[in-house]
Amino acid sequence: ETGVTQTPRHLVMGMTNKKSLKCEQHLGHNAMYWYKQSAKKPLELMFVYNFKEQTENNSVPSRFSPECPNSSHLFLHLHTLQPEDSALYLCASSQGQGPYEQYFGPGTRLTVT
Amino acid sequence: GENVEQHPSTLSVQEGDSAVIKCTYSDSASNYFPWYKQELGKRPQLIIDIRSNVGEKKDQRIAVTLNKTAKHFSLHITETQPEDSAVYFCAAGSWGGSTLGRLYFGRGTQLTVWP
Repeated sequence: ETGVTQTPRHLVMGMTNKKSLKCEQHLGHNAMYWYKQSAKKPLELMFVYNFKEQTENNSVPSRFSPECPNSSHLFLHLHTLQPEDSALYLCASSQGQGPYEQYFGPGTRLTVT
Repeated sequence: GENVEQHPSTLSVQEGDSAVIKCTYSDSASNYFPWYKQELGKRPQLIIDIRSNVGEKKDQRIAVTLNKTAKHFSLHITETQPEDSAVYFCAAGSWGGSTLGRLYFGRGTQLTVWP
């Protein structure tokens, strides 16, 4: 698959579990993003990475921990989540950190039980 | 920070009619305004964007207008078709400053086009 891929597509986890979401982009982009999409809310930016360096943390709780080992891969490590963290988590990438088109992945539908 | 308001939240039109979605923003430093379309169960995709040095941009049946003085921008879809049914998100961002690269999204508009 080309573009931006995300795995898994669906995830159900208990509040005490630890899991990770993975995002990979095949576009040669330098910036990657994590967004949270909840029903009837705007897309919420969580983290921004530019050239593997985290450039923004939008006051995200520490139970979400991002990792960007290189410009093509982005992870979101999850632990001790709350039911209100259930949402669609979207990864995106762009040419650089700026007003460039952001290419979104298909998302991971997360349910916390 | 930037605050983007989007209206209406839902919009139903008959096939062939026009649809207009409006957004306002608060930060005068914003100079990049993209629109994303998200079909049911799919990822958001950019459909058109406009930068603050132009007032209007068209691409076939869609157009976006920008009024920097009033801090609002609008998406216009003409000759709507059922496949235009989706959620549309507006966003605002800037080239420079502390929020470089960050897009602020509106809450979305669910557009339904009836055949």
